[in-house]
Amino acid sequence: EAGVAQSPRYKIIEKRQSVAFWCNPISGHATLYWYQQILGQGPKLLIQFQNNGVVDDSQLPKDRFSAERLKGVDSTLKIQPAKLEDSAVYLCASSLDGGLGTVRDNEQFFGPGTRLTVL
Amino acid sequence: GQNIDQPTEMTATEGAIVQINCTYQTSGFNGLFWYQQHAGEAPTFLSYNVLDGLEEKGRFSSFLSRSKGYSYLLLKELQMKDSASYLCAVRDRDTGFQKLVFGTGTRLLVSP
Repeated sequence: EAGVAQSPRYKIIEKRQSVAFWCNPISGHATLYWYQQILGQGPKLLIQFQNNGVVDDSQLPKDRFSAERLKGVDSTLKIQPAKLEDSAVYLCASSLDGGLGTVRDNEQFFGPGTRLTVL
Repeated sequence: GQNIDQPTEMTATEGAIVQINCTYQTSGFNGLFWYQQHAGEAPTFLSYNVLDGLEEKGRFSSFLSRSKGYSYLLLKELQMKDSASYLCAVRDRDTGFQKLVFGTGTRLLVSP
């Protein structure tokens, strides 16, 4: 089975520029997650979708970050404008079901990530 | 809120056993995951505990004590390829959609 796909793998931009990341989850996975992982830290959840609806975006800096999953399949995460502190790896993950299912339903599968450098 | 603590770094030698501890405080605990992350790669699932006790999976075992807010990951017969970061993550039901909160990770270095 194909894994979670992300693009681009690497991106270098200057501060105040805009950037977008794309994620295609595993086929049939209802739940999609975007994480930010700063060097030396664990992943921090930015936003969680259940199908095409947002169920948690409490840690998303909404003044500059936005995300959508219009058809309940692939998703884009945008940063506009970028700041130096946004330099990180942006990980996309998916699971069968992010609700009250079994552990198998909730196991998250991660994509390779996009490494963003803001200069 | 949630608080997860792990040691920042550990070292061990090939063939040895190492135990990586994780303590947590969370209001809606509903399971604890361990992930392995090699440098520059995505995290991969290792184990899951929701009830107290030990879960064994080959060379890796994970233990949970809910009353103590404590878990450990035990790695036996260490191999060089086990050099990686090990992330403890707690599942939280507060949002109703079982949010996963990660610790900062423990970087394990295995030497010959």
